[in-house]
Order: sequence, then C-alpha cells, then structure tokens
Amino acid sequence: DAGVIQSPRHEVTEMGQEVTLRCKPISGHNSLFWYRQTMMRGLELLIYFNNNVPIDDSGMPEDRFSAKMPNASFSTLKIQPSEPRDSAVYFCASNIRTNTGELFFGEGSRLTVL
Amino acid sequence: DQQVKQNSPSLSVQEGRISILNCDYTNSMFDYFLWYKKYPAEGPTFLISISSIKDKNEDGRFTVFLNKSAKHLSLHIVPSQPGDSAVYFCAASEYGNKLVFGAGTILRVKS
Repeated sequence: DAGVIQSPRHEVTEMGQEVTLRCKPISGHNSLFWYRQTMMRGLELLIYFNNNVPIDDSGMPEDRFSAKMPNASFSTLKIQPSEPRDSAVYFCASNIRTNTGELFFGEGSRLTVL
Repeated sequence: DQQVKQNSPSLSVQEGRISILNCDYTNSMFDYFLWYKKYPAEGPTFLISISSIKDKNEDGRFTVFLNKSAKHLSLHIVPSQPGDSAVYFCAASEYGNKLVFGAGTILRVKS
C-alpha cells in the first residue's frame, strides 16, 4: 500500500531559478497539505486542499510561492523565483477529512537554494 | 504567533529511564492533540493522540497526558530505548481542521 509520494527528494538550485515540488497523496484521501520544516519554526503549514480546492493558503510566505492540485492524485508546490531563505525540507501530507486531523506524511523534498 | 509551543529544543535521557516531552498551546478551541515522531531523512509518523475529553491515553511505553486548564500536554516514554531517539512534534487540531505543529524536541536516548 503506497504512502504519500514526493519528488524530488533533493533539489539544489541557484537563486532566481524556478523550483517545482511534486506530491502524490494516498489514494482515497481527500485532503492534501504542504508543510515546510525549518530549524527555527518547526513544521509550518503552507497550504491545504480539500477535494482539490485550496482551503487555506494563509501560510504561503510570499507571492513567489504557489500551489496547485489539478486532480485528486497530484499536487505541485512552485517557488518562482527561489531565494536562499527558501532552503528547507518541504513535506506533503494527506488524509481523509475526519474529526481528528491525523495526517500521513511523505518523506519530504529537501531544497537547497544557493 | 505560535499556537503550539515546545519550549525544550532537546532532551537527553539514559536508556531505561523515563523521557518526558512537554507541549503548551494557546488556542482553547483545539479539541484533538497528537504526537508525531520523525527520524532523519524521513517524514513524521503518527505516534499517539488524545481527545480533549480525556486526560490520559496510553499505548504501550507511550502515555500522553492532557491538562486542559493549563493548556499543557506531555508525552511520557517508559522505559526509553535508543531507538526512541528522534524529533518529536506536538500537534493540535480544531474539529479536524489543519494540524498546527510545534517546533519539535530532539530526544537522545543514551545507551
């Protein structure tokens, strides 16, 4: 039974370049979340979708960040242009909307912007 | 404005002893609390949870305590094992909406 799948696992890019992170949620899950992990702030929620519709994007740091979910099995997080302070591990998670909020996480995409 | 706070960045415990990880929250509307465990280069995985209608939940070596009046919860691991060394995240949700996480506590269990 496949879990949440993220790609790439590692990305090294130069400042100013576009970065696209990809996520395939667990089949049957109707909610998808993008989190960012940094040393200072831990796991921050960037955006989440219910049934492919963005519900809360208040955590997206700037207009340089955008996320899409064109269908139930795929989502992207794009950073354009990227900056060194965007360096972090980005996690995608999914769940079936319940009253607990328990999430299933992917292994993360480690982004380094030089 | 951090709604979930883990004030101890790290904790070191001897194998066989008790590990106590603490978490405070500010939002009184949170009704479900979870602990996640994270190993390096892996995603966080669910460990244990507690509903706001309870004050204790136990699962093997792991027990979570909730003090609603103090807006405080703690995770107890007894006995601690070297394999428990990881980052532990406290998280909270309101009616199953988005999970809000703390900054995490690094636990090191020494053998």
